[in-house]
This record gives sequence, structure tokens and C-alpha cells, in this order.
Amino acid sequence: EIVLTQSPATLSLSPGERATLSCRASQSVSSYLAWYQQKPGQAPRLLIYDASNRATGIPARFSGSGSGTDFTLTISSLEPEDFAVYYCQQRSNWPPGTFGQGTKLEIK
Amino acid sequence: EVQLVESGGGLVQPGGSLRLSCAASGFTFSSYAMSWVRQAPGKGLEWVSAISGSGGSTYYADSVKGRFTISRDNSKNTLYLQMNSLRAEDTAVYYCAKDRGDTAMVTYYMDVWGKGTTVTVSS
Repeated sequence: EIVLTQSPATLSLSPGERATLSCRASQSVSSYLAWYQQKPGQAPRLLIYDASNRATGIPARFSGSGSGTDFTLTISSLEPEDFAVYYCQQRSNWPPGTFGQGTKLEIK
Repeated sequence: EVQLVESGGGLVQPGGSLRLSCAASGFTFSSYAMSWVRQAPGKGLEWVSAISGSGGSTYYADSVKGRFTISRDNSKNTLYLQMNSLRAEDTAVYYCAKDRGDTAMVTYYMDVWGKGTTVTVSS
């Protein structure tokens, strides 16, 4: 069974800074990885799919990279509305749709 | 506007049953696969089940296989999740989500989500 491990668990940064979030898979998922953002009390929002493709309406400051087992979500310059929990998700291996445990991005 | 509205959540005793519904609007429902994803209180996201656009293919997480049944009525633009033999660990907010793929096949990437409905399993 595949496991996605996100790091760090919590990231404390200030608006305007660059955020780098990591997701590591226990086995290769090729490029079949997505990133979601979730704010308190809200449903998740799809940001990136297939490792590097921005979903519709997602600002260009969000970018994804990686393949195989190591993936990165980068937010180039943090806006106040970007502070949230971020999840990676894979669709390559069983069980499909597996999510990582999340990274909380908080204001420093 | 693309919209998903879940309903049917509530308090149920262990071993009981519940049926969740998700009313879809603003898109051609039958053209898209759909999923259910849950989130236990204070925890992360867990994919639960998915169904193709036609309803002919269904998929389940091991944690719910044999207890939950996903289905859809394309004439009513509605997705369902029948939950039987409920356990305390099924307590969560259940989200209905639209698959982003436009081939009616399941991609497991979800681009539109409802606000969720809360299921509490407790005696």
C-alpha cells in the first residue's frame, strides 16, 4: 500500500516569502500527483494535477514539480489568503486517491 | 455555476445505516466521474469511493469495502453513498466531489467539492 509523506508538518512563513512544501511517495507514482489547499471550515480546492499542471483559476504563484517519488509545491510569494493546510494526493497506485497527512502553512 | 450540495448526514448508532445524497448542478452530470472523500474531526482527507460517469465502474477504499455502496442517478443529477454497518471510525465530514477528467472515467483528481455533510456514529 502506497504512503505519501508530507514535510514539514508545519511551515511558518511571512507574507511575501517563498514557500516550499514536499511530498514523498513510498513508491513511484510517475507524475500522477495532485495538490489541494484547504482552509478552516472549507472544502479542499484543487491546485495542481499531474505534478505540474495548474487547475483552472489557480494563480501563477502556485507551481508544482517532481516525478517518481519526490514532489514539491512552491508558492513563489505568499499572499495572506495562502495560509492554509496543503495536501498531496496520488492516483497511480493502490489505494487510488491516497492523500498525504498535510502540511499546515501558518503565518510567522 | 457548478455546484454540489450534500445531504443526509446525522447521528447514527454503531451498526446502523445512513444514505448520503449529493445534488449536482451547473454541469453535465453524466459526463463526469464522482467521488466521496471524508475527513474525521481534526484529521486529514481520506478518499472513500468513486464512480464512473455511467455508473458502470465503482471503486472503494479498503476501509469501507463491503459496507458502503456508491451509486448515481444521472436522470436526477444525484450521487449517493449508502453506508451500512457504521462504526465509530466512520465519523467524519463527507464531501462529494466532481472528477476533473471529462471522459467520464475516474481520474481521482477532484476539481469541484461540496461543503460536506457530517456523519456521527455514536451510541
